[in-house]
Amino acid sequence: GQNIDQPTEMTATEGAIVQINCTYQTSGFNGLFWYQQHAGEAPTFLSYNVLDGLEEKGRFSSFLSRSKGYSYLLLKELQMKDSASYLCAASPSYNTDKLIFGTGTRLQVFP
Amino acid sequence: DGGITQSPKYLFRKEGQNVTLSCEQNLNHDAMYWYRQDPGQGLRLIYYSQIVNDFQKGDIAEGYSVSREKKESFPLTVTSAQKNPTAFYLCASRSNPGTGGFLGSPLHFGNGTRLTVT
Repeated sequence: GQNIDQPTEMTATEGAIVQINCTYQTSGFNGLFWYQQHAGEAPTFLSYNVLDGLEEKGRFSSFLSRSKGYSYLLLKELQMKDSASYLCAASPSYNTDKLIFGTGTRLQVFP
Repeated sequence: DGGITQSPKYLFRKEGQNVTLSCEQNLNHDAMYWYRQDPGQGLRLIYYSQIVNDFQKGDIAEGYSVSREKKESFPLTVTSAQKNPTAFYLCASRSNPGTGGFLGSPLHFGNGTRLTVT
C-alpha cells in the first residue's frame, strides 16, 4: 500500500534546531517533496530529494534515505515565522502526477 | 507577478446546490490539479489535467467535475452528489520540465477556497 507517516505536532524554541521526520511506503519511488503551509494559506515548496543524502538550502535542509524509506526536514535558527505545518509528499513511480501526501506536522515556535 | 488565483476565498452553499470553484494561472504551466484538504488528513487528489481538453480522475473524483478548455483555467464543480463537500480546496499547477516529465517539478499552489455547505 501507499503510506506516509509524520508526527502530528511538534514544538520548539526560537533559535533552536528542529528535525521533522517522514517515513514513506510507495509503489516505486521517484522522489520526495517538502512543503510549508501557514494556516489558511497555500503550501509553498521547500525541497525535493531523489538521491540519498542531505540537500541544504539556507536554514532548511532535507535528507533522504531511499533504502530506509525515510526523510527528514531540518530547520535551524528557528524563527517565529517558521510556525507552520510541514507537508511531506512522495512521488510514486507508477504515476508522477499522483503525489502521496502525509497529514502534515504542525510546528509551533515559542519565544 | 505570475501565480495561481483561486476565487472566492470563502464560499457558502446550501446542500443540494452545485458550486463552481475558479482557478486561473498565468505561469504558463502545462499541468493543473485540484486537491482537497481536511483536518487530520493529507492532501487528496480530486482531478488533474496535463494538457488542454484532457483530464484524469484522481483518488476522490466522485461528486466532482472539471473542465480544461484553456491552458490558464481549470474550474472545479462540486456537485450535489458529493456527500461531504465542506472542505478546503487547493488548486495547483506545475510545468513539464522536459524529457523527464513532471519528475521533480514542484507544485505551485493557489491560496485555496474554503467551501462550507449547510
